[in-house]
Amino acid sequence: EAGVVQSPRYKIIEKKQPVAFWCNPISGHNTLYWYRQNLGQGPELLIRYENEEAVDDSQLPKDRFSAERLKGVDSTLKIQPAELGDSAVYLCASSLALAGVHKDEQFFGPGTRLTVL
Amino acid sequence: AQKITQTQPGMFVQEKEAVTLDCTYDTSDPSYGLFWYKQPSSGEMIFLIYQGSYDQQNATEGRYSLNFQKARKSANLVISASQLGDSAMYFCAMRDRTYKYIFGTGTRLKVLA
Repeated sequence: EAGVVQSPRYKIIEKKQPVAFWCNPISGHNTLYWYRQNLGQGPELLIRYENEEAVDDSQLPKDRFSAERLKGVDSTLKIQPAELGDSAVYLCASSLALAGVHKDEQFFGPGTRLTVL
Repeated sequence: AQKITQTQPGMFVQEKEAVTLDCTYDTSDPSYGLFWYKQPSSGEMIFLIYQGSYDQQNATEGRYSLNFQKARKSANLVISASQLGDSAMYFCAMRDRTYKYIFGTGTRLKVLA
């Protein structure tokens, strides 16, 4: 079974440029997460989708970040314009959240390492 | 507010020995889940073990066990018979009833030959 796929793996851009990350979750997983992981820190949730619906985007900086999950499968995360402080690893994860089932471990992709110059 | 605390930035353990990685949490929600993930240098987060707040017994998965002390709000990870491949960052995480996840700052484990 294929895992969570993310692309690109690495991205270097200059500040004020736009950037987009793509994620393909594990087939059949209805829940998708985007995290940002700064160096030496744990992942911080940016947005969570259940199917096509963004059910938690409270920590997404909406002035410059946007995300979509068309058809409830693939997802893209966009930053426009990028700032120096956006340099981090962006992780995508998916899970199969079932009603009444609490052990919903997340499966993570390899991440995209973004460097903003 | 919910919080996860990992107070050990780094740990060393001799190969074949057991090691305990500490995790404390804070929540007022009676229903929550606790997770441990491993992050090798390759960067991919790997699920290790899960403990539900209503589970009566401590979770075990192979060489991993979770020492769950609900009254103390601690969920320590115990790795038995450490192997060189266990060297990695380890993150404790908590999920609340709304499926919001928070992660700790991690503990870097180094297994010595």
